[in-house]
Amino acid sequence: NAGVTQTPKFQVLKTGQSMTLQCAQDMNHEYMSWYRQDPGMGLRLIHYSVGAGITDQGEVPNGYNVSRSTTEDFPLRLLSAAPSQTSVYFCASSYSGLGLDTQYFGPGTRLTVL
Amino acid sequence: AQSVAQPEDQVNVAEGNPLTVKCTYSVSGNPYLFWYVQYPNRGLQFLLKYITGDNLVKGSYGFEAEFNKSQTSFHLKKPSALVSDSALYFCAVRDRGYSTLTFGKGTMLLVSP
Repeated sequence: NAGVTQTPKFQVLKTGQSMTLQCAQDMNHEYMSWYRQDPGMGLRLIHYSVGAGITDQGEVPNGYNVSRSTTEDFPLRLLSAAPSQTSVYFCASSYSGLGLDTQYFGPGTRLTVL
Repeated sequence: AQSVAQPEDQVNVAEGNPLTVKCTYSVSGNPYLFWYVQYPNRGLQFLLKYITGDNLVKGSYGFEAEFNKSQTSFHLKKPSALVSDSALYFCAVRDRGYSTLTFGKGTMLLVSP
């Protein structure tokens, strides 16, 4: 049982490049979400999904795209990277989306956009 | 709207002393409240949660938190701090009318030997 895995661990992009951050969980959780962590700002929700085929926007969705074709995977796409997207990105999953449940976090992806 | 505030960027405490990390929240209804901890270069780990019932919640690693509805607070406490408790602590809230969590900015806890 690997829990929540994220790849890559580190990434450097140039402005305008696109890329996909991968997230997978093997706990059969319905609810998955993406956060970004910036110094002094805590965690901010980017997008979330309450099940396969269903996604919704969080607090800071601009510049990011998601899809949920399977229960296990929830990739985050940066369409055209900007320096403001330099951050640490965390994927999380939980059994339910009701906020009653513990969220399990991946180890994070540290992204730098030059 | 839902929001959460952690008024201290950093808390310093000596090993063996009691510690408190403060959290206040704002919701329109009844809250669900959580504490998470982040060790360096790691993802967040769940510590404890308040959903309903007893106002004093006990969690992992000897931590506990008290839900105080009149003061809209959910402070994290531990009777005797350990150096290994040094980490970044996040409070999170969810209003029962919402479907997502809102996290605070985090409080760095430093426990000195």
